[in-house]
Amino acid sequence: SQQGEEDPQALSIQEGENATMNCSYKTSINNLQWYRQNSGRGLVHLILIRSNEREKHSGRLRVTLDTSKKSSSLLITASRAADTASYFCATEPNTGNQFYFGTGTSLTVIP
Amino acid sequence: DGGITQSPKYLFRKEGQNVTLSCEQNLNHDAMYWYRQDPGQGLRLIYYSQIVNDFQKGDIAEGYSVSREKKESFPLTVTSAQKNPTAFYLCASSIGVAGFWQFFGPGTRLTVL
Repeated sequence: SQQGEEDPQALSIQEGENATMNCSYKTSINNLQWYRQNSGRGLVHLILIRSNEREKHSGRLRVTLDTSKKSSSLLITASRAADTASYFCATEPNTGNQFYFGTGTSLTVIP
Repeated sequence: DGGITQSPKYLFRKEGQNVTLSCEQNLNHDAMYWYRQDPGQGLRLIYYSQIVNDFQKGDIAEGYSVSREKKESFPLTVTSAQKNPTAFYLCASSIGVAGFWQFFGPGTRLTVL
């Protein structure tokens, strides 16, 4: 399977703390994307990082990409209860036309 | 408002019946996708379409069929050949297939009784 793997599968933190989740993948990629999914809803795109980029920021989100290790991390700073959701990475291999989604990290932020 | 809609939100069907899930977008996107999500798992690609009148199988196309007669619409039929159809189905669209992020609909939860 080319599907990525997120780590940890579940994460529970206090409001105000930082949350870090990781994604590992198997093939060379054009880009990697992070999405968020609230329970029972569709996914919302958070950030896209291209293979020639190492770090990207968007508001309280910071994404890093290490293509040599085939891994990425998503950092959410100063977490809020509203950040409670599942977070998925999706990779776009440089050999195909589809994304491969990881298994997701379930984040719970306790008020 | 621009967006992507799926209907219905919940769908119940008896085993052995075909069922069609609707997906419509007014974002003027060329590419559209159907994914299946099972509890606690990631998304798996069923079919995708890069352009009108063209579509490609994803990783789990068996037991499903699609059509792309209009740019705005990409309906998915879950046939009786699909052995385990109960799942959450998500439709998405993007400007193009490569290098763009996807916009997702709210999903349809299909339960086969």
